[in-house]
Amino acid sequence: SQKIEQNSEALNIQEGKTATLTCNYTNYSPAYLQWYRQDPGRGPVFLLLIRENEKEKRKERLKVTFDTTLKQSLFHITASQPADSATYLCALALSSGSARQLTFGSGTQLTVLP
Amino acid sequence: GAGVSQSPSNKVTEKGKDVELRCDPISGHTALYWYRQSLGQGLEFLIYFQGNSAPDKSGLPSDRFSAERTGGSVSTLTIQRTQQEDSAVYLCASTLETFGQPQHFGDGTRLSIL
Repeated sequence: SQKIEQNSEALNIQEGKTATLTCNYTNYSPAYLQWYRQDPGRGPVFLLLIRENEKEKRKERLKVTFDTTLKQSLFHITASQPADSATYLCALALSSGSARQLTFGSGTQLTVLP
Repeated sequence: GAGVSQSPSNKVTEKGKDVELRCDPISGHTALYWYRQSLGQGLEFLIYFQGNSAPDKSGLPSDRFSAERTGGSVSTLTIQRTQQEDSAVYLCASTLETFGQPQHFGDGTRLSIL
């Protein structure tokens, strides 16, 4: 069956370090993958999209990699700050012809300690 | 407004009652999604609307759940004869229906069934 797994439910790191979050999937052939940030009591907010033919995407302190052989995406936050503390969700889109549906992972809760 | 608006933000009701949840999408967004998020879980797809096409209802968990979208804009999710397992946050998202566009989420309705 199809499955998306995000690494450990909670990740604590020290301010200034690089946070690395993992999204693994099985039995999917995603057309693209998105990462969202969700703060308590709020809806998810889009951060980055990476397509199946892209290896890496960057936006300011954020970097996403996508390895379709390993069936894995890594999400990095460099020079992390306490304000980066949130839950991060990965989401896969299955069809290259439509953005009809995203399938979300359960998220990784990141805490950046001052 | 500029973003997706959902109402009410919180709803507490007794088991067996019907509830209606409202979503106002971003103006001009043709696609609208409803998701359900239980505590500590990822987003569970419920239903998808795209323009005048028939909605994709494949995620609705039972026939107690229904949704409509009037005039291609506002959507209402209705849950009849609510059960305790319906307690969750119900999130609405809208997007431009082109490949790879991010979904824009409201902050959800937190539904509690007593």
